[in-house]
Amino acid sequence: AQSVTQLGSHVSVSEGALVLLRCNYSSSVPPYLFWYVQYPNQGLQLLLKYTSAATLVKGINGFEAEFKKSETSFHLTKPSAHMSDAAEYFCAVSDPGTASKLTFGTGTRLQVTL
Amino acid sequence: EAQVTQNPRYLITVTGKKLTVTCSQNMNHEYMSWYRQDPGLGLRQIYYSMNVEVTDKGDVPEGYKVSRKEKRNFPLILESPSPNQTSLYFCASSLGVGEYYEQYFGPGTRLTVT
Repeated sequence: AQSVTQLGSHVSVSEGALVLLRCNYSSSVPPYLFWYVQYPNQGLQLLLKYTSAATLVKGINGFEAEFKKSETSFHLTKPSAHMSDAAEYFCAVSDPGTASKLTFGTGTRLQVTL
Repeated sequence: EAQVTQNPRYLITVTGKKLTVTCSQNMNHEYMSWYRQDPGLGLRQIYYSMNVEVTDKGDVPEGYKVSRKEKRNFPLILESPSPNQTSLYFCASSLGVGEYYEQYFGPGTRLTVT
């Protein structure tokens, strides 16, 4: 079964600093990978997804992620953090043929400080 | 506005008292799913439905029931709630069945069982 590991349950960065949220996956077949963001008291919103096209995926709000098969990673980055980026971020994986089922990581809470 | 709605948003109940959490989408989506979110565990799938009258178990189905009599609605039923079902519940839907399709999430229902 596929799984996702997010390193760091809490990450704190200064406003304007680089954001790096880590995600490693375990899958027996090339997976589809997603990053979702959850703002306080809201549902999940899709940031970006990898579906075997370009390995560097650009998403909303200036976020991007790079699929690295050799490292089984799909880390999320943003060059310059903004206060509005403070939220919880979830990496998720979906194996082809599993009828849309998403397996989520445990989440990383991003704090942005002045 | 295209959306997934859930009701109620907050619910406090007692052990054993049957309850239903409703989920409705107005996007004519085929696929619908229920997840629960618990601290340190991320989101885990409870049940999913690929179309009307087609439902199947996810990773944590025990203690839950679902039905899909209409395309737009996918209620989650707890016949005899227990304290370990205290959680944040999300309904999600997607246009088609398959990992390529983005899932849209509702705002969540926070359930407390005492």
